[in-house]
Amino acid sequence: GAGVSQSPSNKVTEKGKDVELRCDPISGHTALYWYRQSLGQGLEFLIYFQGNSAPDKSGLPSDRFSAERTGGSVSTLTIQRTQQEDSAVYLCASSLMGRGMETQYFGPGTRLLVL
Amino acid sequence: GENVEQHPSTLSVQEGDSAVIKCTYSDSASNYFPWYKQELGKRPQLIIDIRSNVGEKKDQRIAVTLNKTAKHFSLHITETQPEDSAVYFCAASIGSSASKIIFGSGTRLSIRP
Repeated sequence: GAGVSQSPSNKVTEKGKDVELRCDPISGHTALYWYRQSLGQGLEFLIYFQGNSAPDKSGLPSDRFSAERTGGSVSTLTIQRTQQEDSAVYLCASSLMGRGMETQYFGPGTRLLVL
Repeated sequence: GENVEQHPSTLSVQEGDSAVIKCTYSDSASNYFPWYKQELGKRPQLIIDIRSNVGEKKDQRIAVTLNKTAKHFSLHITETQPEDSAVYFCAASIGSSASKIIFGSGTRLSIRP
């Protein structure tokens, strides 16, 4: 079956512009996560959607970052007024919920370059 | 806040030897500990996980051990092969739900031929 997909795969933008990154989770997965991975670095948690609960936004680095998940499926991460330090790979993951079903499946990522 | 520390950041071993990566966590309620492997330019993929009700789990050449009292867990790879070269991330759940996990900073493992 289809895995997690993300689009675009690469995005080059100019400093100050807004960007939208899309994530399509595995069908039926009720949990969705966004992470940021700078070159050669670890996975930085950004935001987490769990079913119908309010999202956990504790990892968002500034108010320029926001995310939505519409209809419990597709999610969009928006970065407003991009800065050069926003350049990174943005990874999305999805999972089922409940004991024994926590495995997160990652998408291929969106590589963002802010010039 | 909750965090996961991972050591070493880089590790080079001779092909056929064993590799060990260690992590510590801070949240005493953590009960789910996955390990992910990320090959160059690819997405992270789960290789093994362990829950707090067991102390060790093995899957062929890979094993994970957990010491809840000390709040540390380790990944052991035996008989290393060139395809084991990758970045490995440990992670720990935050709280008891296991739905949110925090990743360690990663270990870059290189296998010398």
